[in-house]
Amino acid sequence: RKEVEQDPGPFNVPEGATVAFNCTYSNSASQSFFWYRQDCRKEPKLLMSVYSSGNEDGRFTAQLNRASQYISLLIRDSKLSDSATYLCVVDNQGGKLIFGQGTELSVKP
Amino acid sequence: DTGVSQNPRHKITKRGQNVTFRCDPISEHNRLYWYRQTLGQGPEFLTYFQNEAQLEKSRLLSDRFSAERPKGSFSTLEIQRTEQGDSAMYLCASSSPADSGPSTEAFFGQGTRLTVV
Repeated sequence: RKEVEQDPGPFNVPEGATVAFNCTYSNSASQSFFWYRQDCRKEPKLLMSVYSSGNEDGRFTAQLNRASQYISLLIRDSKLSDSATYLCVVDNQGGKLIFGQGTELSVKP
Repeated sequence: DTGVSQNPRHKITKRGQNVTFRCDPISEHNRLYWYRQTLGQGPEFLTYFQNEAQLEKSRLLSDRFSAERPKGSFSTLEIQRTEQGDSAMYLCASSSPADSGPSTEAFFGQGTRLTVV
C-alpha cells in the first residue's frame, strides 16, 4: 500500500462546479497534513494546512478524518484559475513529508 | 529574493557522468528536503536533513545518490554515473518546525531539471 494515495485524475469540470478530492494515508501516527497546488512546470506551493477540526479558506475547505486516515479538499465555485494539480501531503512521522501522486484539475469555461 | 534557491536550473549530461546540484534554503530553516519528480507524478521523497544531520534516505535511492548539508545551511545532491532513468526534476524544500515537533509548511525551490542523454 502506498503511504499516501489520491484519487486518480484528471477531473474535468465546468466553471462554477464544486469538486472534491480525496486522499488516504497509511501511517496512523502522522501529525501534519497539507494540500499543495502545483501549476504546470512550476514548483509545488502550499494551498492550505489541514487541521483536525477541519478548516476553510474562501472557496476551499479541508477535512481530516483520523479514524479513517482520510483527508479531503473541497473547491466550491470553481474558477478557470483553479486548473492545476493538487497534491496531498502527509508527515509520515518524524518529519518526512510524503506526497501523493497528485490529482489534475481542469476547469473549463 | 529570500526564497529557496536551486542551482543550476537545467543540466544536460551524458550517461555515466557525475552531476551535483545545490540548494540554498530559506535562511534559518532547519529542515531541508530533496525530492525527485517525473511527469505526471507527485514529488518522490529522496532524503531530508534536520540542521546538518541526514535523518533518512529513501530505500528506493541507489548508492549512486548522495546528499550533504555540512554546515546546516546549503545542501548538495550528487548523482554519480548518471543513467537515463535519472532524468527528472530535482526539487529542494525547506521548513522550520520546532525540534521534534510536527512538520510545518515546506517551501520549494524552482528545481533543477536534469536530462541524461
